Amino acid sequence: TQLLEQSPQFLSIQEGENLTVYCNSSSVFSSLQWYRQEPGEGPVLLVTVVTGGEVKKLKRLTFQFGDARKDSSLHITAAQPGDTGLYLCAGGSNYKLTFGKGTLLTVNP
Amino acid sequence: DADVTQTPRNRITKTGKRIMLECSQTKGHDRMYWYRQDPGLGLQLIYYSFDVKDINKGEISDGYSVSRQAQAKFSLSLESAIPNQTALYFCATSAGATDTQYFGPGTRLTVL
Repeated sequence: TQLLEQSPQFLSIQEGENLTVYCNSSSVFSSLQWYRQEPGEGPVLLVTVVTGGEVKKLKRLTFQFGDARKDSSLHITAAQPGDTGLYLCAGGSNYKLTFGKGTLLTVNP
Repeated sequence: DADVTQTPRNRITKTGKRIMLECSQTKGHDRMYWYRQDPGLGLQLIYYSFDVKDINKGEISDGYSVSRQAQAKFSLSLESAIPNQTALYFCATSAGATDTQYFGPGTRLTVL
């Protein structure tokens, strides 16, 4: 069984601070997805990374896939209240996803 | 218009009732999935279908059944609902040489 450990589980910061969320596994994945979810809504895809060591940037968000394709990180620069939400990582293998339990981020004005 | 739609968005029912949740997609994807989400537990896979004739159990299929009526439609049924099936339910789709899935808006189900 593949497991994804996501940390921290909760994160409350002030507007303008930087933060990093981690996603770790003992298993190798063919891809790693990051989603953001608002309360009562479905997860929305932020990024997919597929190559070990790959780094992708989406405005103030930087995503990295570990060299061994077992871990990933999401870094947010100068967080804003609009970044508040549940961030989910999901490892892909054989067209199925294994999800971490999520990081609930609150950015206070 | 949304690419993946789910109906109903909210449902309250009683223990023992049969419930059907429906998912439709206009993305033309061949793969469809049903998940449930409980607070603190993340998303757990209930059933998945790689095409109309291929249906597979996920990690938590007990108490659930599915029907793939067409490429665009995938329904989830609770034959006899019980309170611990109270959760958020999501449908997702995928296609091509990628694991990436796209989610619907979800159904909030409460079983009393």
